[in-house]
Amino acid sequence: DAGVTQSPTHLIKTRGQQVTLRCSPKSGHDTVSWYQQALGQGPQFIFQYYEEEERQRGNFPDRFSGHQFPNYSSELNVNALLLGDSALYLCASSSGTGANQPQHFGDGTRLSIL
Amino acid sequence: GENVEQHPSTLSVQEGDSAVIKCTYSDSASNYFPWYKQELGKRPQLIIDIRSNVGEKKDQRIAVTLNKTAKHFSLHITETQPEDSAVYFCAAPQRTGRRALTFGSGTRLQVQP
Repeated sequence: DAGVTQSPTHLIKTRGQQVTLRCSPKSGHDTVSWYQQALGQGPQFIFQYYEEEERQRGNFPDRFSGHQFPNYSSELNVNALLLGDSALYLCASSSGTGANQPQHFGDGTRLSIL
Repeated sequence: GENVEQHPSTLSVQEGDSAVIKCTYSDSASNYFPWYKQELGKRPQLIIDIRSNVGEKKDQRIAVTLNKTAKHFSLHITETQPEDSAVYFCAAPQRTGRRALTFGSGTRLQVQP
């Protein structure tokens, strides 16, 4: 039973570029949440997808966008990259059968902006 | 939205001692409180969670207590071992949407052999 998988594991970009990160949820999960974790800090919520729609959004600019596919996998897109976007981007999945279901994280994508 | 405060930011204990990490939350409607352990360079791992219909939950050397009146919850680790060394995060669900999590700022636990 595969857990949450993310790709790529590492990525180096330059300012102004665009990036797409990918996430496959744990088997049986249909809700995907994305978090940004800066060095030495806790994960910060970016947005959450369920039934292919963005259901909830944190305090992140419109440069951050996403998508969920019919197979529940998800993408996070970031445009016009800034140095401050350097972080570990974590995907978490959960079951939509009820609120407050445990969220399970992937290993993350470490994004470095030069 | 939900606000989660976590203390202490660092904690050093001797092997075999107990460790306690405390969190407070702001939204009285919150009813689910997970704890995650994150080792260096690895994913946050869910180690225990508690729902508001119980005041305490144990899993071997780990326990979580919840005080809904005071809006705080705590992680207790007994008989600490060097492999318990990691950063621990508490979290609480946001009120809207499908309850995405607001995390505390983390506690770096160092267990000295």
